[in-house]
Amino acid sequence: NAGVTQTPKFQVLKTGQSMTLQCAQDMNHNSMYWYRQDPGMGLRLIYYSASEGTTDKGEVPNGYNVSRLNKREFSLRLESAAPSQTSVYFCAALRRGIEGYTFGSGTRLTVV
Amino acid sequence: AQRVTQPEKLLSVFKGAPVELKCNYSYSGSPELFWYVQYSRQRLQLLLRHISRESIKGFTADLNKGETSFHLKKPFAQEEDSAMYYCALSPGTSYDKVIFGPGTSLSVIP
Repeated sequence: NAGVTQTPKFQVLKTGQSMTLQCAQDMNHNSMYWYRQDPGMGLRLIYYSASEGTTDKGEVPNGYNVSRLNKREFSLRLESAAPSQTSVYFCAALRRGIEGYTFGSGTRLTVV
Repeated sequence: AQRVTQPEKLLSVFKGAPVELKCNYSYSGSPELFWYVQYSRQRLQLLLRHISRESIKGFTADLNKGETSFHLKKPFAQEEDSAMYYCALSPGTSYDKVIFGPGTSLSVIP
């Protein structure tokens, strides 16, 4: 039972390049989330998807796009990477609010 | 505005000493409060939830609505408790506005 799986684990991009971070969950949860983690700032919500076919902006959506391909998969795309997007990205899934998130292992992204 | 604060970025305690990681929140309703932990090179994981009133790995947290606090406590720190701890707030049944504090890095000195 893998829970939430993220790929890749590490990535280095040049400014202006694009890439997609993949996330998949096998828990049949409806809600999925993308966060970025930066020192001293905690985790900030980028985008979320309450259910298959729906997506909404979080606190810091600029420069990102998402796709909820099906119930299992929720991808995050950087169309034109910038150094400010250097961060660790976490995907999470949720069944009910009171149960708390299940997180993926994270993607460490460096934009040079 | 909804907000979670953790006043200590770094906290060092000796093994066997009591530890308290502070968390304060601002929210007008009745939130759900959580503590998440991230051990070195591991993913974030849920440590405990206030609604379940549980004790996990010797940690407890009491919700004080008067002081709007949800401090995490353990009477005797262990080396394996060294990690990053995040306090988080979920506004009840809403699933889309979970807010994390900035985190406290706990270091337990042998």
